[in-house]
Amino acid sequence: QKEVEQNSGPLSVPEGAIASLNCTYSDRGSQSFFWYRQYSGKSPELIMFIYSNGDKEDGRFTAQLNKASQYVSLLIRDSQPSDSATYLCAVINFNKFYFGSGTKLNVKP
Amino acid sequence: GAGVSQSPSNKVTEKGKDVELRCDPISGHTALYWYRQSLGQGLEFLIYFQGNSAPDKSGLPSDRFSAERTGGSVSTLTIQRTQQEDSAVYLCASSLVSLRDRVGTFYGYTFGSGTRLTVV
Repeated sequence: QKEVEQNSGPLSVPEGAIASLNCTYSDRGSQSFFWYRQYSGKSPELIMFIYSNGDKEDGRFTAQLNKASQYVSLLIRDSQPSDSATYLCAVINFNKFYFGSGTKLNVKP
Repeated sequence: GAGVSQSPSNKVTEKGKDVELRCDPISGHTALYWYRQSLGQGLEFLIYFQGNSAPDKSGLPSDRFSAERTGGSVSTLTIQRTQQEDSAVYLCASSLVSLRDRVGTFYGYTFGSGTRLTVV
């Protein structure tokens, strides 16, 4: 079983809609949770991190963490074509980052 | 420099040759990670350096892979006797402190632009 699982997509949403990206993780001891965005041919860049159960909002992005169910999600409100990218979920466990394989998001104008 | 610098950006090598990939982290960053990303795949952890501690090499896929970090700064990832399955983008990342030491406090974890390795 992989440490972090994500649906590979692609997830297609119309411009202005809410995009919902989900991630599950296997180790209950995982401490911190991150969302990275990776444009094609580029390196990942951090967009959100969350440590505590509940929601964390930053602009159009909201990260949600549910440790009991071992999932973390990312909501993107008012999606823009520029949000089209692969979104990688990552968790920290014993000082290592474990990355999911990413969900490809397409935002259609 | 302002970011994590990796060189070369592209490397084409013949099967069986050795290659060295270089990572120059952000100045002052004590933690340094190497990852590998194959086409369309997620990030595969390779090795982790933190300060003067012994590196965590648990992700290295075989004994053909090794890495050093000199003076707590620049790191070199060496792949000996390269194979075609080694073809991937090799990414380096650095952060200011070990996240274990400061759980709950995030000091930034920045990726370099990667080295695309092609073994022919």
